Amino acid sequence: AQSVTQLGSHVSVSEGALVLLRCNYSSSVPPYLFWYVQYPNQGLQLLLKYTSAATLVKGINGFEAEFKKSETSFHLTKPSAHMSDAAEYFCAVSDESNDYKLSFGAGTTVTVRA
Amino acid sequence: NAGVMQNPRHLVRRRGQEARLRCSPMKGHSHVYWYRQLPEEGLKFMVYLQKENIIDESGMPKERFSAEFPKEGPSILRIQQVVRGDSAAYFCASSPSGVTYEQYFGPGTRLTVT
Repeated sequence: AQSVTQLGSHVSVSEGALVLLRCNYSSSVPPYLFWYVQYPNQGLQLLLKYTSAATLVKGINGFEAEFKKSETSFHLTKPSAHMSDAAEYFCAVSDESNDYKLSFGAGTTVTVRA
Repeated sequence: NAGVMQNPRHLVRRRGQEARLRCSPMKGHSHVYWYRQLPEEGLKFMVYLQKENIIDESGMPKERFSAEFPKEGPSILRIQQVVRGDSAAYFCASSPSGVTYEQYFGPGTRLTVT
């Protein structure tokens, strides 16, 4: 079974600063990888996904993530944080055998300081 | 195009009662997935259903939990004789055929057992 580790349960950044959220997964076979964002009292919204194409994936709201097979990582970045980026972010990976079965990290809560 | 709908959004049950959680997938989606999020944890896969079929229930607790997706109407996650440990957020997701890893999530139902 897949496991996903998100380093840091809380991240605080200043408005305009770089946002970097770390994600590592356990599989040796590159599966599908995802970042989701959850705003308070809302469902999870897909930010971006990696599906074996380009290793640098661009998503919505200015986010991007880079897949690094050698490091089994899929870190999420945004060059300049905006107040509206305050939310909880989840990294997820699909199962190697059953790609519908997503495994999620515990989440990272981002706060943005004015 | 309406997204995934879940109701109720909040549900309070006393120990021993039954909880019924409903999920209507996005229009055109015939695949439904249920996930559970315990406090301070990521989402955990519970079950995958298609119309009138349970495809994979490997994440469902063996007792008291059941799920269905009838030919007509929403998918239902049913928890009988709830206990305090069932308190969690339950998320439903749906996907189009052929792209089961691309899941769209509803806002969740937050179940509290008193």
